[in-house]
Amino acid sequence: EPEVTQTPSHQVTQMGQEVILRCVPISNHLYFYWYRQILGQKVEFLVSFYNNEISEKSEIFDDQFSVERPDGSNFTLKIRSTKLEDSAMYFCASSEATVYGYTFGSGTRLTVV
Amino acid sequence: GESVGLHLPTLSVQEGDNSIINCAYSNSASDYFIWYKQESGKGPQFIIDIRSNMDKRQGQRVTVLLNKTVKHLSLQIAATQPGDSAVYFCAEIPNRDDKIIFGKGTRLHILP
Repeated sequence: EPEVTQTPSHQVTQMGQEVILRCVPISNHLYFYWYRQILGQKVEFLVSFYNNEISEKSEIFDDQFSVERPDGSNFTLKIRSTKLEDSAMYFCASSEATVYGYTFGSGTRLTVV
Repeated sequence: GESVGLHLPTLSVQEGDNSIINCAYSNSASDYFIWYKQESGKGPQFIIDIRSNMDKRQGQRVTVLLNKTVKHLSLQIAATQPGDSAVYFCAEIPNRDDKIIFGKGTRLHILP
């Protein structure tokens, strides 16, 4: 079964550093998403991406965040200057038609120290 | 505002019994609902979905019920097995939207 692949599985970074979280969506999917989950809390929407541009973003997704699809297979989330409160699981997802056929990756655990 | 919440944070069920996990939502504009299962260290996994023009949908061992009058969603798992241990999230999708709004999650604990 096709999977959304995320790397790394765990990233530890110092406060103020930049991090890039990487995702390989399912190959025929056209819609891409990032969500995050702070430990013990619900999964929260960050951003959706379609046709090489952001289609929607939440209030969490401020100027410190950016997304990119640098080539035909990768989808990245960059946090420019990490804060302690950015520590969370970050999930990438992709779908072939908006919310239908939505598939999540296994996540990257980001720890900011 | 938009919110999806769950009545119980933890549910303990005897193996072999049926489980019922409940969820309340508040956005009447939501027209599509999904139940997700999240095992430790993994991403949310689709279980079953239902559209707002339905009140019941059945899958393999799972049934989702939707009561639009009281904005209530439930997930029924028949003959609960140890592999069903996980956190279950209800989620809603507002009309003409593509983001998923998750509830807080209910941890299902299976007793031997």
